[in-house]
Order: sequence, then structure tokens, then C-alpha cells
Amino acid sequence: DTEVTQTPKHLVMGMTNKKSLKCEQHMGHRAMYWYKQKAKKPPELMFVYSYEKLSINESVPSRFSPECPNSSLLNLHLHALQPEDSALYLCASSQIGLADISGANVLTFGAGSRLTVL
Amino acid sequence: GNSVTQMEGPVTLSEEAFLTINCTYTATGYPSLFWYVQYPGEGLQLLLKATKADDKGSNKGFEATYRKETTSFHLEKGSVQVSDSAVYFCALKGNNRLAFGKGNQVVVIP
Repeated sequence: DTEVTQTPKHLVMGMTNKKSLKCEQHMGHRAMYWYKQKAKKPPELMFVYSYEKLSINESVPSRFSPECPNSSLLNLHLHALQPEDSALYLCASSQIGLADISGANVLTFGAGSRLTVL
Repeated sequence: GNSVTQMEGPVTLSEEAFLTINCTYTATGYPSLFWYVQYPGEGLQLLLKATKADDKGSNKGFEATYRKETTSFHLEKGSVQVSDSAVYFCALKGNNRLAFGKGNQVVVIP
């Protein structure tokens, strides 16, 4: 299994809703990432988990709350979002964190969850 | 800090034409370099990579050579197909992160 699976593919929510995005990989990767991508822009890093511990938070607003229940799963909990948070949310994983310089440690991305906040 | 610069604007070309997308980088040390491709409605897929100077990455007819002297990693393909229409991102690995360029949309016309 060489995939990163994200659910749901599409999500529409109101500003008062609470929802979650889910990401799963079974490649034995120990680092997992959340990125946000606006239309016609490159992905922007939000969070990095390494060995199930949060290692990087790129000053993301607290209305986004990541969770890594185990080495295969990564969640992004959403609460009180704003319309400007509408975007494609991409999950990625790698064998270990990007501090490794072997060159073989690359990111594998999921297909993304497209979020619309009304 | 680390950064990647891609040429401005979309690229439109006819089927079987030669494709070049320019990518230059600024970094300390010797970062690994990547090209990712994003097809419409999908996530990013790794297209090719190079980890040291003069390495050539290649995949699906695409090639890029890591040029330390010009700090470049230009993407080329000799004969594009309609199915190559996508957005292409150059990226650099450093400081526990991937730094992406702005991306280039490539449109191949039959």
C-alpha cells in the first residue's frame, strides 16, 4: 500500500459547525503533515507530526486542531472556521521527518479534502 | 532562508512540443530538489528528484538536472502530450520543510 487516503473528499460547513478531516497511511511512515492549498497557489505547511508528536505548528489559528491518534492516522479538527479558510487541505507522509538528509525520504501526498466554509 | 523561484505565468503549447519550466533556488548547503505535479482535482505527486549536484532526475519522459553552479533545476520534456496538462511545482527540502515554488500551469493543446 503506497497511498495516503483522505476523507472526506469534499466538505461544506457553516461557521458554527465542528467537523474533522481524516488522513490514513499504511506505509509505516513516521512523519505526517497537513498542508493548506488555495486555488492557483502552492501548498502551505500547517502542522508536522513526527513519531506521533507535534513537531511543527506554523502559527496556525487555534480553530484548526490537529491530532495524531497513532502512527497511521492524522486528523484535523475544524471549529468556528471563516469563509477564507475554504481551501484544499492536503495530508502527506514521509518515512521520517524532513531533517533526514538521505534523499530517499520524500513526501507522499493524499488527494486532498476540499473544504468550503459558508 | 530557503526559497524557490519558478518562471511566471502559465505555459501553453501544442502536443509533441518541447517543454521547459525554469526553476532556480536559494539555499544554504546542498538541498535535495524535487518536481511535483498536480493534475486537476488531485493532490501532488512526486515527478522526480535529485539529491546532489549534477544528479539527473527522470520519470515519464521528464528530466531535470541539479546544477549547483547556476542554482537551477529546470524541468524538460521532449514531446508533451495532452495528458501532461497539469500544474508543476519545483520544491526544495531544507530546515525540516519543503519550500515550494509558485507553480506553473501547463496546458497542452491537441
